[in-house]
Amino acid sequence: DQQVKQNSPSLSVQEGRISILNCDYTNSMFDYFLWYKKYPAEGPTFLISISSIKDKNEDGRFTVFLNKSAKHLSLHIVPSQPGDSAVYFCAARSGGSNYKLTFGKGTLLTVNP
Amino acid sequence: GAGVSQSPSNKVTEKGKDVELRCDPISGHTALYWYRQSLGQGLEFLIYFQGNSAPDKSGLPSDRFSAERTGGSVSTLTIQRTQQEDSAVYLCASSLMRGLNTEAFFGQGTRLTVV
Repeated sequence: DQQVKQNSPSLSVQEGRISILNCDYTNSMFDYFLWYKKYPAEGPTFLISISSIKDKNEDGRFTVFLNKSAKHLSLHIVPSQPGDSAVYFCAARSGGSNYKLTFGKGTLLTVNP
Repeated sequence: GAGVSQSPSNKVTEKGKDVELRCDPISGHTALYWYRQSLGQGLEFLIYFQGNSAPDKSGLPSDRFSAERTGGSVSTLTIQRTQQEDSAVYLCASSLMRGLNTEAFFGQGTRLTVV
């Protein structure tokens, strides 16, 4: 049973526009959520995170929104740049003292010049 | 080095052979994770070491897979009698276990090809 779901395997956006990547989860015990970016032949790199006690976290062009009642989070990138083209993974951390991370299957973002 | 180091970066092995993959986590990180990514797939959880607690092995796909973490630092993932479906990129990550806001840092991965 997949606890973290990224239902869009791919997304294509024009340079300068907004990219919105979505993620749904089923486990209400998750207390911390992260987004990772992965380029081919490299390990995933941390991008931005949000605690379950917040509903928004912003870092430059990247903003993550959390809707706990809907068990949904999204990553907004604005303006999108060609260098943002990568696979984006949503991850969730189990609650309490358990630091295990559960990942979604990823969304391939392509930003067209 | 400052980051998570994995070796080898690439490994080609014959079906039926055993392989060992190594992970050197960031110094001081007490949590260590192994994931794998098969072609076109997401990150599949394998095993998780958290401090001195018993590891969470719930993601290991079969008893051919095992992992150790010696001295709370270096970890080795062993795959016995490799099969072609074991071909994947094996990723190791480590994190601090401190407070709420901790992220895992990944190594570059080991690309395993079973022929």
